[in-house]
Amino acid sequence: DQQVKQNSPSLSVQEGRISILNCDYTNSMFDYFLWYKKYPAEGPTFLISISSIKDKNEDGRFTVFLNKSAKHLSLHIVPSQPGDSAVYFCAANTNAGKSTFGDGTTLTVKP
Amino acid sequence: GAVVSQHPSWVICKSGTSVKIECRSLDFQATTMFWYRQFPKQSLMLMATSNEGSKATYEQGVEKDKFLINHASLTLSTLTVTSAHPEDSSFYICSARPDGLTDATNEKLFFGSGTQLSVL
Repeated sequence: DQQVKQNSPSLSVQEGRISILNCDYTNSMFDYFLWYKKYPAEGPTFLISISSIKDKNEDGRFTVFLNKSAKHLSLHIVPSQPGDSAVYFCAANTNAGKSTFGDGTTLTVKP
Repeated sequence: GAVVSQHPSWVICKSGTSVKIECRSLDFQATTMFWYRQFPKQSLMLMATSNEGSKATYEQGVEKDKFLINHASLTLSTLTVTSAHPEDSSFYICSARPDGLTDATNEKLFFGSGTQLSVL
């Protein structure tokens, strides 16, 4: 039973346009959500996070939206840049501090 | 920013041998580190939580005698794959959460760069 799902394995967008990456979860005990970015042959790096008490968090070109009733979160990148091309992982934490990851979405931003 | 060093980055070994992977936090202390396994195009699957000074906590289905974890100091955790077999071939990655945080359970993780293990 996969508790965190990223249903789109890949996404391709044009440079300058918006990238929207989606993530769904099933466990209502998750109370903190994070997005990580991973380049090939490197470990994931933290991108942005959101607490379950909020519905939006913004950091520069990156915005994360949380819809608790739908158990859905999304990452918006605008404008998208070729350097954003990477695998993006959604992660969800319980109050025990354990992170559960989605399968990742490979984003390709075309020049 | 916090750096986690993991090595080796790749290793090829013969079936039946043991392989040790190291995970070091270079500029912070971490009582807790995590070990994951990732198959191609799949998620990071948590294998175990490594706790400095105590036994690791293994996830369901992970053989603790197969994957030995030692967290001997606040900056070093090791994962030893014992008697490796081809089915153990995978990408192994560690992460660490810095100590001393007021809301440690929600802090982001810092990851090593991973180890690609190939067992022949």
